[in-house]
Amino acid sequence: GAGVSQSPSNKVTEKGKDVELRCDPISGHTALYWYRQSLGQGLEFLIYFQGNSAPDKSGLPSDRFSAERTGGSVSTLTIQRTQQEDSAVYLCASRSNRDSGNTIYFGEGSWLTVV
Amino acid sequence: QQQVKQSPQSLIVQKGGISIINCAYENTAFDYFPWYQQFPGKGPALLIAIRPDVSEKKEGRFTISFNKSAKQFSLHIMDSQPGDSATYFCAASIITSYDKVIFGPGTSLSVIP
Repeated sequence: GAGVSQSPSNKVTEKGKDVELRCDPISGHTALYWYRQSLGQGLEFLIYFQGNSAPDKSGLPSDRFSAERTGGSVSTLTIQRTQQEDSAVYLCASRSNRDSGNTIYFGEGSWLTVV
Repeated sequence: QQQVKQSPQSLIVQKGGISIINCAYENTAFDYFPWYQQFPGKGPALLIAIRPDVSEKKEGRFTISFNKSAKQFSLHIMDSQPGDSATYFCAASIITSYDKVIFGPGTSLSVIP
């Protein structure tokens, strides 16, 4: 597709359940980021993938959060045993390593509500 | 060192007025400073960006002013319009490192008719 695609766009889950959020980056983009945005808040960095390098997981808030990127393209963010404080918009972004402007392009986010 | 500070948290401007949002950073290694605009229900999108080798960059009604010695930069929106109502994030990164982009906490701008 032309932009970063995320699914599902909305997810309501019960506390304690696991959820998976998917991100399809822009074709050819080697860098992929996950950010979290709570209601009315800023962008909290979660994890970053660049090519075949080890991901930067320094922003993951707990060991309930994990992410993988298969084949250097699609990424899945997994939240285990969800808690109410996990409710937020999860934004994925990607960037081309040929982009001298360092621009990252965001998807529209996955809105997660834990009830 | 990695933090980007942003103010004000919220801003109300009358149509036709000038909106000004300020940001400050600590890490002198940062060399790319973009501004992102986010409408409700959408992901942030790049609005305008500046490198530290220039003190000002203008694109239409949007201008970034950059003060390298003070480690500060600001976004000015001239002739503000209701359609400019959105959340604005400043950010900073190191252009050659392909590392994570550090975002400010955001400013919610409302332009009233």
